[in-house]
Amino acid sequence: AQTVTQSQPEMSVQEAETVTLSCTYDTSESDYYLFWYKQPPSRQMILVIRQEAYKQQNATENRFSVNFQKAAKSFSLKISDSQLGDAAMYFCAYRRSQGAQKLVFGQGTRLTINP
Amino acid sequence: DGGITQSPKYLFRKEGQNVTLSCEQNLNHDAMYWYRQDPGQGLRLIYYSQIVNDFQKGDIAEGYSVSREKKESFPLTVTSAQKNPTAFYLCASSSLDRDYEQYFGPGTRLTVT
Repeated sequence: AQTVTQSQPEMSVQEAETVTLSCTYDTSESDYYLFWYKQPPSRQMILVIRQEAYKQQNATENRFSVNFQKAAKSFSLKISDSQLGDAAMYFCAYRRSQGAQKLVFGQGTRLTINP
Repeated sequence: DGGITQSPKYLFRKEGQNVTLSCEQNLNHDAMYWYRQDPGQGLRLIYYSQIVNDFQKGDIAEGYSVSREKKESFPLTVTSAQKNPTAFYLCASSSLDRDYEQYFGPGTRLTVT
């Protein structure tokens, strides 16, 4: 069974600085997707960024980028120029690539932005 | 606006009662999912459906039931057999067109006392 682990229950960063959230996963599959979701206080799950395992290039979305290390099964999220609106729970998630598969989530990291 | 609606946002029930949570989508997505979130934890899959009139159990299906009579709707019933039903419930949908990327509804907070 696939598992996702986020070892940082809480992180904090000063506004405008950079923070990295860690995620490791375990799978025997070679083709899969990895995601970072943001859950603000409204509790709406918002997709931040996704990475296809077959792509070597790390995904980027504006201030958000990932460091995908397939051999190490590591998938970290870097947030640059942190903003107050980035404060939220962040979840790392895994999904097999074929068809309508379930998402397997980590436990989450609560990110606080200090003004 | 296309999207996923879940109603109500907050739901209260007495122990021993069944309760049905609503999930509707107008995104024309084929697949729909129900997840449960407990405090300090990630989401766990309860049930999912890839097509109308078909659904599969997820990791924590015991005490829950679903139906998929229409493409747009995937209601979840929390039965009295569910030992710890108080939680936040999220519905999601996905489509082959978008490589099965899952879009989430706003969620329903169920409290059973």
